[in-house]
Amino acid sequence: GENVEQHPSTLSVQEGDSAVIKCTYSDSASNYFPWYKQELGKGPQLIIDIRSNVGEKKDQRIAVTLNKTAKHFSLHITETQPEDSAVYFCAASIDFNKFYFGSGTKLNVKP
Amino acid sequence: DGGITQSPKYLFRKEGQNVTLSCEQNLNHDAMYWYRQDPGQGLRLIYYSQIVNDFQKGDIAEGYSVSREKKESFPLTVTSAQKNPTAFYLCASSRRDGRAFFGQGTRLTVV
Repeated sequence: GENVEQHPSTLSVQEGDSAVIKCTYSDSASNYFPWYKQELGKGPQLIIDIRSNVGEKKDQRIAVTLNKTAKHFSLHITETQPEDSAVYFCAASIDFNKFYFGSGTKLNVKP
Repeated sequence: DGGITQSPKYLFRKEGQNVTLSCEQNLNHDAMYWYRQDPGQGLRLIYYSQIVNDFQKGDIAEGYSVSREKKESFPLTVTSAQKNPTAFYLCASSRRDGRAFFGQGTRLTVV
């Protein structure tokens, strides 16, 4: 089955700096890559997603890039704010059948 | 108010007991999922269902059972065969474009 690896496991940045989280996947058939934000004690929330026919997608301070050849995708958060502090998960899916998640990145934005 | 409702939020199970976690959605989504989340790990798929009256095992289905008699409901039973059931359980449903939405989770503890 698909294997998704996520790095780093923890990330600490100063408010206003950028944060980058990287994921790799193993199955070249994966064609949908969502990112989720999870706050303590809550369920994950979808923040951005990208499909395999697109190389980059941006939504305000958040962007995702996809390199199909290298089988990796990244989440970029610019101008970080304390409320961005949470655990972020990447995931990969083939035709929306099953989702395979990375192990998560705990982002701490220091005021 | 549309969304996914999981209940209860906290659940305590005695050794040898079966317990059932509830998941209800009013988003009219066909697909529903159950995930298990352990500290420091990503989400692992227990069961998923793409349509009423049909469901498939995920990667860690042993010791769990599900039913999908109605589109809106996908209950998960944690049986006594599950030797290490203490975890955070998340239910999700997804749209046809793949975007998945999660409930707020049920924290199950064995006492």
